[in-house]
Amino acid sequence: ETGVTQSPTHLIKTRGQQVTLRCSSQSGHNTVSWYQQALGQGPQFIFQYYREEENGRGNFPPRFSGLQFPNYSSELNVNALELDDSALYLCASSFGTITRQETQYFGPGTRLLVL
Amino acid sequence: QQPVQSPQAVILREGEDAVINCSSSKALYSVHWYRQKHGEAPVFLMILLKGGEQKGHEKISASFNEKKQQSSLYLTASQLSYSGTYFCGTEANRDDKIIFGKGTRLHILP
Repeated sequence: ETGVTQSPTHLIKTRGQQVTLRCSSQSGHNTVSWYQQALGQGPQFIFQYYREEENGRGNFPPRFSGLQFPNYSSELNVNALELDDSALYLCASSFGTITRQETQYFGPGTRLLVL
Repeated sequence: QQPVQSPQAVILREGEDAVINCSSSKALYSVHWYRQKHGEAPVFLMILLKGGEQKGHEKISASFNEKKQQSSLYLTASQLSYSGTYFCGTEANRDDKIIFGKGTRLHILP
């Protein structure tokens, strides 16, 4: 059983650019949640995808968007990057229903630096 | 509403005990505990559900006081491997999304 993987591990972008981060969920899981973790802070919920549909969104602007694919892997896209977008981006996969998720398992994260 | 964790940081010697608290201003359905080591992903420790029993293993356990809207994580006879940042995540109801606290940094000295 493979765990949650993310790519790339590190990324450097300049302000105004666009970025795509990828996440492969754990085998048997149907849900992916994305989090932004600033230095010294807890993970902040961005959004969740359940069976290819967005299933809940945190307090993030529309320039943060995502996709989930039939194999339950997922992408996080961020347009018009700002300096404050610099953070560790974590995805977590879980198994559940549209209303209830079981335990979330996190990937190693992608560290994004915006210059 | 983000849960509040206390203390923010703690330094212990190997073998000492630690308690980390997680409090919410809202009624809670569940509390999730994770540990994150520097540069690594958060690792799931345990989940406590409303009306459920105290969880844990021999040296790491947790309680959930529904009336006080609070959970505590107990680390007994701490080991060097326990070092890291501990996060609690809370859900206000069954179909809510998890909101994480800011974390408690634990450093164990030999």
